[in-house]
Amino acid sequence: AQSVAQPEDQVNVAEGNPLTVKCTYSVSGNPYLFWYVQYPNRGLQFLLKYITGDNLVKGSYGFEAEFNKSQTSFHLKKPSALVSDSALYFCAVRDQAGTALIFGKGTTLSVSS
Amino acid sequence: DAGVTQSPTHLIKTRGQQVTLRCSPKSGHDTVSWYQQALGQGPQFIFQYYEEEERQRGNFPDRFSGHQFPNYSSELNVNALLLGDSALYLCASSPRGQGGNTIYFGEGSWLTVV
Repeated sequence: AQSVAQPEDQVNVAEGNPLTVKCTYSVSGNPYLFWYVQYPNRGLQFLLKYITGDNLVKGSYGFEAEFNKSQTSFHLKKPSALVSDSALYFCAVRDQAGTALIFGKGTTLSVSS
Repeated sequence: DAGVTQSPTHLIKTRGQQVTLRCSPKSGHDTVSWYQQALGQGPQFIFQYYEEEERQRGNFPDRFSGHQFPNYSSELNVNALLLGDSALYLCASSPRGQGGNTIYFGEGSWLTVV
């Protein structure tokens, strides 16, 4: 069965420092991987996705993610964090049918000024 | 270009009642999915509609049902509400096609069952 793990419930980082939010996945076949962000009491906003090609994917708001097939990871990164990046981040993988997204439990990112 | 729109934003229902949530997909999208997000959890897939038919279903009981209209909009119906049905219900849309298509989400409908 396909699954996603986000090993950290919370990540704390100071403004201006680089940030990493971790995600590992388990799939059969080639993965379609996604990152979404959720601000308090809001829906999910798409950040970026990996389908194929370059292992470093660039997305919205300065975020990027690195796909690593050997480590089955898809970590979200940003070179310089902003206080406004504080939110709940979800990693997701498309299921085998190519229909549903399977989400991790989410990681709360807190950026302090 | 409007994104995915959902209504109502918030609602409170009593145990045993029935609820209907509505969704209009993003322009150009013909596939609609529904997700349930309980407090502190990631979204869970309920089902997907395409060409007015349920195409795939997650691990949810038959109390959860849906419908898709010819204009691609969709409804989620939940019967015999339980306290555990309290959650944020998210509608998502995408164009039909390969699994690499991006799925876009609405702001959600907050359902509280008392």
